Amino acid sequence: GAVVSQHPSRVICKSGTSVKIECRSLDFQATTMFWYRQFPKKSLMLMATSNEGSKATYEQGVEKDKFLINHASLTLSTLTVTSAHPEDSSFYICSARGAVGEKLFFGSGTQLSVL
Amino acid sequence: KQEVTQIPAALSVPEGENLVLNCSFTDSAIYNLQWFRQDPGKGLTSLLLIQSSQREQTSGRLNASLDKSSGRSTLYIAASQPGDSATYLCAVKRGNTGKLIFGQGTTLQVKP
Repeated sequence: GAVVSQHPSRVICKSGTSVKIECRSLDFQATTMFWYRQFPKKSLMLMATSNEGSKATYEQGVEKDKFLINHASLTLSTLTVTSAHPEDSSFYICSARGAVGEKLFFGSGTQLSVL
Repeated sequence: KQEVTQIPAALSVPEGENLVLNCSFTDSAIYNLQWFRQDPGKGLTSLLLIQSSQREQTSGRLNASLDKSSGRSTLYIAASQPGDSATYLCAVKRGNTGKLIFGQGTTLQVKP
């Protein structure tokens, strides 16, 4: 099946720093990528949808200046958490969908801990 | 607003037992429904996808059913094994946008 690579898998940073998370589709072209956030024992919450070459569409309540999403190529999308604070600590997961088919393929997630 | 609920939140069973996980959704106008597996600290693996026009899908020991009119889906796991221990999430897709609405998940523990 299709593979989506997400890294880093874990990052610990100081409050105020920015963290970049990468999501790559390894064997298919991802026309659409989704970024989710998951709190412990909670559901995945969709943060934003990004289409290659265009601006991301953010869900209600998600600060676009806080969570910068770039989808510059058909195989790479990045999420940058700017000026991270402890409340941004969470598990972030990306998923990708190709041009054909409906299945979404998920990355392995990134655990962000902001001290 | 679509809401997805999974019951129970956690389940512990002895190895070999058959079990059912439940998922309910409030808006029956769904495009499809998927069941995922998530291991601790990991991403999601798609298990089964049921289109809105289908009633069930099977893969190995897994069987998922869908009753759109009542807003319910079940995931049946036959002859459970310790390796089945994980969190199982259901998600409904609204329209063809690709957006998924997830339930909170059921954490399953299969004891040897």
